[in-house]
Amino acid sequence: EAAVTQSPRNKVAVTGGKVTLSCNQTNNHNNMYWYRQDTGHGLRLIHYSYGAGSTEKGDIPDGYKASRPSQENFSLILELATPSQTSVYFCASGDVGQNSDYTFGSGTRLLVI
Amino acid sequence: GDSVTQKQGQVTLSEDDFLFINCTYSTTTYPTLFWYVQYPGQGPQLLLKVTTANNKGISRGFEATYDKGTTSFHLQKASVQESDSAVYFCALGTNAYKVIFGKGTHLHVLP
Repeated sequence: EAAVTQSPRNKVAVTGGKVTLSCNQTNNHNNMYWYRQDTGHGLRLIHYSYGAGSTEKGDIPDGYKASRPSQENFSLILELATPSQTSVYFCASGDVGQNSDYTFGSGTRLLVI
Repeated sequence: GDSVTQKQGQVTLSEDDFLFINCTYSTTTYPTLFWYVQYPGQGPQLLLKVTTANNKGISRGFEATYDKGTTSFHLQKASVQESDSAVYFCALGTNAYKVIFGKGTHLHVLP
């Protein structure tokens, strides 16, 4: 069954440390996305990718980097984690075109202390 | 620019009540409109989708109709159940690279 798998499911990080969130999809979708979800803000787009080797800035990219080494994998990197980055992070994949819906992963809950 | 507005942050109903969640959008293109549902501890999942070709989507007892005149895409269900408790997101797909999500409406259904 096609899916989006995120790891880890939960993460506690220290302020100033490096955090890498991983995402793998078996949908063979070209596009992948990273969102964060916070109460009162809904889903906010951090970075996205059109395919292997491409990364693009979303609406709130500051403090985050992304990496897409292959069609299947898309990582979100926090080089210097801060408490304001405590959130739930979702990865999604989707086909090209405006009629395409997204398949989301189950999320990573990140706590930065 | 393109945008989606969901003003209801939280809705509380009793079982068998009628559900109505308001969503309006703004775009200069011909949009595709989505409703996603997110159950506790999970990622959002597609509930239904409507394009300019079909105007109406129905899934699992939920219904949404795309109204170009009022630029609205409200979600309705005749009789909610406790298992419908979740967060519902309205979303707008345009000819740009991404889908734009509303802020979500948290539905609580009391037994």
